[in-house]
Order: sequence, then C-alpha cells, then structure tokens
Amino acid sequence: GAVVSQHPSRVICKSGTSVKIECRSLDFQATTMFWYRQFPKQSLMLMATSNEGSKATYEQGVEKDKFLINHASLTLSTLTVTSAHPEDSSFYICSARDREGPSYNEQFFGPGTRLTVL
Amino acid sequence: RKEVEQDPGPFNVPEGATVAFNCTYSNSASQSFFWYRQDCRKEPKLLMSVYSSGNEDGRFTAQLNRASQCISLLIRDSKLSDSATYLCVVNNGRNNAGNMLTFGGGTRLMVKP
Repeated sequence: GAVVSQHPSRVICKSGTSVKIECRSLDFQATTMFWYRQFPKQSLMLMATSNEGSKATYEQGVEKDKFLINHASLTLSTLTVTSAHPEDSSFYICSARDREGPSYNEQFFGPGTRLTVL
Repeated sequence: RKEVEQDPGPFNVPEGATVAFNCTYSNSASQSFFWYRQDCRKEPKLLMSVYSSGNEDGRFTAQLNRASQCISLLIRDSKLSDSATYLCVVNNGRNNAGNMLTFGGGTRLMVKP
C-alpha cells in the first residue's frame, strides 16, 4: 500500500513553455501533498504544501505564480511550471501523507519527474 | 548554518565493513527524525525512523541524542547494495500540515567488493 505515482517521469521542453506534472496517491487519500525540488548533488528542498480544496502554501523564495499547484481531489495534485526556463531544470518530487494509515506521519514519495528545459 | 547538516562523503568502504554516519540539526524543537535512502536519480525511500531510545532494524541502527542534537546511523556488515546516498531528515512540524520535513544534504556511501 501507500503508493504515489508521478507523471511524466521525464520531460524535455523548450524555454517559455509550461509543463504540468501530476502526483497521484494510488491506494489512499491524501489531504496533503508536498512538492520538492532537487538540483544535482543537492538535497530535496520543499517548494510548497498542497492542501486538498484550498490554496497551496509556498515556501519562502518560491514564486507561486510560476509554480501553480492545484489539489482538486484527495488523490491528485498537479504542479505546473509556467514559462519554464533552463534554470528550472531539476528533479521534481511529490510526496503524500496517508492520514488514515498506521504511519500517518510518514510521507510517501513519488518516483519524481526530471524536467529539462532547453 | 543549515538546519540539517551531514558530511557529504563519499564514504568508500569494503564489503563487510561497519560504517557510521552522523547528522546534526539546529532546531531544538524538532519533533521527529528519519533516515531516508536515495539511489541515483530516484526518489528517497524511508529507511527507518529514529527514536530517542534508539532503534535497530537488521544491520541498521539509528540513534538520537537530543542534548547534542545529533542523529546517527550505523550500518554493519555492509553490502554492495547499501551503496546509496543516506539522507538525514527532520520534522520541524512548522507548516500548516504539521509535517514539514527538512532534508540534510545527504551522505554518499560506496561499498566496494
């Protein structure tokens, strides 16, 4: 149980385009999902916390108008990187909490999406 | 100062060796602690939680010292498959979800035959 999927796993796009990344909890309901970014040889940095039915909470330094987050259902959160630029190239990882599960405090991570902006 | 600090390594050890990693955290109000393992170009996976009383899972032992704000991970009888980056993770509970994980930079382990 507690499986989180992400789609796409890899995307290459041109500068200026928008890219949507989906994060799904497959076998549990996730009222809260988290979006992280990881640059090469660096650790994961939390970008935002996505709450079902309400606005996302962004970490300091993360532009909410550039990284649009929608958490419309209990099993799906999307991150849209708008007007992507080469410096947005990174590994984007989502995670979700299963609040009803035995490990309610544990975050389960998706496999990540590798974004390359040319 | 980083919130969670780790020696980036790499730690190069032979198979069968015992290796220990340490991690320090800056927020004394941190609530829970974890070690995650991350393989190259993959997502992090929970290795074990870290309790004040210490905990052991097979060849892996984790300990927490709140006084020194230090977390450790000991791996005995290293296997080639243990080669990965080990992430020290602290839950500060700061955000609205009460579950903000702060990741250390990771310690890279390479186990050689």
